Amino acid sequence: DAGVIQSPRHEVTEMGQEVTLRCKPISGHNSLFWYRQTMMRGLELLIYFNNNVPIDDSGMPEDRFSAKMPNASFSTLKIQPSEPRDSAVYFCASSFLGGGTNEKLFFGSGTQLSVL
Amino acid sequence: AQKVTQAQTEISVVEKEDVTLDCVYETRDTTYYLFWYKQPPSGELVFLIRRNSFDEQNEISGRYSWNFQKSTSSFNFTITASQVVDSAVYFCALSEFSTGNQFYFGTGTSLTVIP
Repeated sequence: DAGVIQSPRHEVTEMGQEVTLRCKPISGHNSLFWYRQTMMRGLELLIYFNNNVPIDDSGMPEDRFSAKMPNASFSTLKIQPSEPRDSAVYFCASSFLGGGTNEKLFFGSGTQLSVL
Repeated sequence: AQKVTQAQTEISVVEKEDVTLDCVYETRDTTYYLFWYKQPPSGELVFLIRRNSFDEQNEISGRYSWNFQKSTSSFNFTITASQVVDSAVYFCALSEFSTGNQFYFGTGTSLTVIP
């Protein structure tokens, strides 16, 4: 089975540029999460979707960040304009919520973002 | 307030020693789920275990064991006879039924096993 697929694996960009991170969740999963990991703050939840609808975006740092999930098999996280402090590893994860149970998160391999 | 606390930031042990990673959680829900994930140096997050709040039985999987105690709100993880390949960052996480599918992660414990 294909796991959660993220692209690109690595992204190096200059300050001010737009960055788009992509995620394909596991087929059949109805929840999708975007996390950011830094040494200082650990794993931070940015936003999560349930059935393609954003449920909680309180973790999105500021208006420069936006996330979309146009269908059940694709999501994007966009940063515009990017800043050096956005440098981090961004993880996408998916799971299935239903039947009164919270299943485990399956994580993608992450995107290592460096903003110069 | 932190929902998941991993007080140990870094631990170093010598190979073959046993080591316990602590996890304390906070919730008002009666239905919740606890998880442990491993993040090796390669960076991916690997699922280790999921436990629901109604099942307090301890679990053993090879050299790994988990001790779930609701009375102390703890879900500790023990590695017996540690090996160098166990070197990683370990995360404990909580998911509450009442908040849908929210996952709360601890700050992680970095384990180094010295050969």
